Amino acid sequence: GAVVSQHPSWVICKSGTSVKIECRSLDFQATTMFWYRQFPKQSLMLMATSNEGSKATYEQGVEKDKFLINHASLTLSTLTVTSAHPEDSSFYICSARDHSSTLDTQYFGPGTRLTVL
Amino acid sequence: SQQGEEDPQALSIQEGENATMNCSYKTSINNLQWYRQNSGRGLVHLILIRSNEREKHSGRLRVTLDTSKKSSSLLITASRAADTASYFCAVSGGSYIPTFGRGTSLIVHP
Repeated sequence: GAVVSQHPSWVICKSGTSVKIECRSLDFQATTMFWYRQFPKQSLMLMATSNEGSKATYEQGVEKDKFLINHASLTLSTLTVTSAHPEDSSFYICSARDHSSTLDTQYFGPGTRLTVL
Repeated sequence: SQQGEEDPQALSIQEGENATMNCSYKTSINNLQWYRQNSGRGLVHLILIRSNEREKHSGRLRVTLDTSKKSSSLLITASRAADTASYFCAVSGGSYIPTFGRGTSLIVHP
């Protein structure tokens, strides 16, 4: 089946630094990728929709200047958490929609756990 | 909102018993999906059921969808300790973007 990878799988950083998380579709092309955030014992909340070659669409309440999303190719989207603070500590999960399949076909990455000290 | 809501929030059963989780939503949908998540791990896709379908099976899993009641159920038969996880339903409307509920935490005691 289709595989989506995320790198890194976990990261610890100091407050004030920036962290980049990569999401790759390994064996299919993804014109659309999605970024979710999940706090402990809570639901996945959609942060933004990333479209290849265009600006991301952010959900209400998500700061676009803090969470920079770049979808420069059909297989790679990146999420950069800028000037990270402890409250940004969370589990970040991406998903990718298979360009050649039906709209409801998307695959989730394994997630990246971010801890900001 | 489009978000699905699971019920119960937590479920504790013995190995071999059946586990039933429910999901309710408020608006019309194109599909509903169930996912499993082990603690601190990524999502595992279980079943997708479309709005024109009423029931789907996959191994020990059975999913039903009642669009008139805006609800779905996930049945795990003959549960195993390895089924211990959180289970989420995700509903998708016209944009086909899954919106997740809070999940049901299932504990299966050996």
